[in-house]
Amino acid sequence: DIQMTQSPSTLSASVGDRVTITCRASQTISSWLAWYQQKPGTAPNLLMYKASSLQSGVPSRFSGSGSGTEFTLTISSLQPDDFATYYCQHYNSYPWTFGQGTKVEIK
Amino acid sequence: EVQLVESGGGLVQPGGSLRLSCAASGFTVSSNDMSWVRQAPGKGLEWVSVFDNGGNTFYADSVKGRFTISRDNSKNTLYLQMNRLRAEDTAVYYCARRVGYGYGMDVWGQGTTVTVSS
Repeated sequence: DIQMTQSPSTLSASVGDRVTITCRASQTISSWLAWYQQKPGTAPNLLMYKASSLQSGVPSRFSGSGSGTEFTLTISSLQPDDFATYYCQHYNSYPWTFGQGTKVEIK
Repeated sequence: EVQLVESGGGLVQPGGSLRLSCAASGFTVSSNDMSWVRQAPGKGLEWVSVFDNGGNTFYADSVKGRFTISRDNSKNTLYLQMNRLRAEDTAVYYCARRVGYGYGMDVWGQGTTVTVSS
């Protein structure tokens, strides 16, 4: 199975900061990677797919990059609504797997 | 409105069974890849199973042989039959839609809670 490793596990940042989260795959997954945002008590929300495609309705301050085994999610200017946990997920092959999550906290 | 609504969660003893349902509205389940994803208390997301639009099913190793995914096209509903439940199956179970190969899971239900305990 392909393992997904996110870093950092927790990130403290302020409103307006540029934030980058990294996701590494244990083997190549081409660009078959999605990013999700989850707030406590709610279902995940799709942000990006195919590594760098922005899901409809998601603010343009979110962007994704990478291919192969290394990927990043960037928030260009952190907003109060962005404090949440972020997960990467590969869908290169079954079984799909998620990263362990990155919690973005208020500094 | 595109929506998924899960039901069927509850408290069950170890070794017991439960069937979860996921009713879809605003789109056709059989035309999409439909997954179950779970989240144990305080933990991350774990993909469980998928019923793809070609009629194929796949499972996580942790549930293979115990869980069965199915769908009823006439009811536009996805199911997850869970047998031989263990304490580690305790989680919120979400169903989610993927519109096709290459996309992420863009529509999620609100989740249903399964607790396995004696």
